[in-house]
Amino acid sequence: DIVMTQSPDSLAVSLGERATINCKSSQSVLYSSNNKNYLAWYQQKPGQPPKLLIYWASTRESGVPDRFSGSGSGTDFTLTISSLQAEDVAVYYCQQYYTHPYTFGQGTELEIK
Amino acid sequence: QVQLQESGPGLVKASETLSLTCTVSGGSISSYYWSWIRQPPGKGLEWIGYAYYPGGTNYSPSLKSRVTISIDTSKNQFSLKLTSVTAADTAVYYCARTGPMNWFDPWGQGTLVTVSS
Repeated sequence: DIVMTQSPDSLAVSLGERATINCKSSQSVLYSSNNKNYLAWYQQKPGQPPKLLIYWASTRESGVPDRFSGSGSGTDFTLTISSLQAEDVAVYYCQQYYTHPYTFGQGTELEIK
Repeated sequence: QVQLQESGPGLVKASETLSLTCTVSGGSISSYYWSWIRQPPGKGLEWIGYAYYPGGTNYSPSLKSRVTISIDTSKNQFSLKLTSVTAADTAVYYCARTGPMNWFDPWGQGTLVTVSS
């Protein structure tokens, strides 16, 4: 199985500041035939299902604010929130869909400082 | 816009079979792949497996011996059966749409299943 490891486990950021969450996979999720990284990011607020934010490591889902961006390739990835808003308080998960079984990171809890 | 809704018993006795159904509205279940994912209280997400029409499946190796996911095109539903449950199977169970080597979107609201002794 590909193990997805996120850092940090929790993060406190001031409103309007940048938040950065890292995700590392135990093996590359870059598919050489199409040069795509098979990695997604989700946001989960309390009592709600996860919401897709980013796929192909850097493609923002329709309707997701442009303060959310994804970057990285191979085994190291980053989700950045450029200017934290109060509504961004949530747990964030990365997920690889490169191979079965699909696996998630353990989650990063983001709160307001 | 595709929407998913889970249904089924919220309480299952240990050693029995957990059965859930996901109803898909706004789109045909004959397209795409359809997954179950679970989340124990206060913990992270675990993919259980998926099914696709007409009859394909793929399960997580950790659950494969106990899991069956099937599709009913006449009702636009897919279902999860998990046998011989224990307290470790207590979780919120989500259904979600996916594809071959693809992300999960959209998700159902989730349903909490508690395994009692």
